[in-house]
Formats: sequence, C-alpha cells, structure tokens
Amino acid sequence: GAVVSQHPSRVICKSGTSVKIECRSLDFQATTMFWYRQFPKQSLMLMATSNEGSKATYEQGVEKDKFLINHASLTLSTLTVTSAHPEDSSFYICSALLAEETQYFGPGTRLLVL
Amino acid sequence: GDSVTQMEGPVTLSEEAFLTINCTYTATGYPSLFWYVQYPGEGLQLLLKATKADDKGSNKGFEATYRKETTSFHLEKGSVQVSDSAVYFCALSDRAGGTSYGKLTFGQGTILTVHP
Repeated sequence: GAVVSQHPSRVICKSGTSVKIECRSLDFQATTMFWYRQFPKQSLMLMATSNEGSKATYEQGVEKDKFLINHASLTLSTLTVTSAHPEDSSFYICSALLAEETQYFGPGTRLLVL
Repeated sequence: GDSVTQMEGPVTLSEEAFLTINCTYTATGYPSLFWYVQYPGEGLQLLLKATKADDKGSNKGFEATYRKETTSFHLEKGSVQVSDSAVYFCALSDRAGGTSYGKLTFGQGTILTVHP
C-alpha cells in the first residue's frame, strides 16, 4: 500500500518553544491530509483538515493559532505546535487521502513538552 | 454528531480462539464503516470496510457486516493468531449529501493480545 512518513518520530522540547512535525506522502500526491491527536488509551481525535494550497479547516475547539498547519505541496503537510506547553504533550498522527475514502496513516509523532 | 463506540478492552485470547470486537455507531447521514488496525510501532492500516447496509467487508480472515438496523459493525475472526495482536479501531466516514469528505470518526480502540 501507499506510504506516509512522519518526522520526527519523537521530540522533547521545553515549554514555550515551537515544534514542527512533517507529514509526507512518499509515493502518491495528496490534495488532502488530516491531523489527529491521540491521548493515552483514547481514540484518535481529528484536529484539522489540511488542503494543498488553501487554509486548513480546524475542528471545533482546536486553536488554529496554536496548531499551525501548512500544506505547501501535494506531498507535504506540516503541523507546528507554537509556544508548546506540557498539556500539548501527546501523540500526533497524520494521514493522507488517496481517494474519496482511502486514507493512509503516518506512524505518528510523540511530543513531550517539559 | 457522529460517534463510534467499541467494546472496552483489552482482549486477551489464546491462539486459534474466536474473536469478536463489538462496534456500534451513530451518524446523521449514510456512513461508510471501517476497521483499522495498528500494529506495535506502526501507523494505522485499513483492515476492511463496508459502504452500505448489509455489505460485508473481509480481509486476512477478518469479517464485519454493516448492520443498519442495529447500527453495528462488529469485527470477527474465526481463529486468531499471535500475529493478530494489535490495536483495532472502528471508524466511520459520514457522507452528507452523498459526498464523503474523508473525515473519520474513530472509536476508542481495542487492544488485542493473542497468546501462543
């Protein structure tokens, strides 16, 4: 199947700093990518829909100024957690939409904010 | 809004045992239903899907039938293997007006451990 990568796989940062997470579709072009957040022992929660060449669409309750999403090309979307705080520590997962209902997921990025 | 409820885990089975993981949903439109699997250290992978009532999705010995009358999509396998140990997620993609925008709503996930 298609491959989606995420980088980094794990990051530790100090409170107040910003962290950028990359999501790449390696063997297909994706107009649409999704960003999810997963808390321990809980489900994936959709944060935003990233569309190439346009502004991301954020789900209710997600701060767009806190979680900046850029989808500058058909194979790359980035999520920047700005001024990170310990409560932002989580597992962030991206997916890329290949066809109407076919998503391929990245392996996730573990963020720990100290 | 849309929601998905899975049976709570973890589920622990012996090899060759029968597996059922229950999943029920609520949706405003006509959803497609999915089972995703997450093996340790890997991303979620689509296991199977069904797009309309009474459809049966199947893959790798796993099956699930889209039951509109009971709003359910239970996952079953007749004989599990150690390699099936993973986290299983039930999900739906609602299609407002007949168009899916790809957004998925996930259940909470069920951890399956299979012992030799």
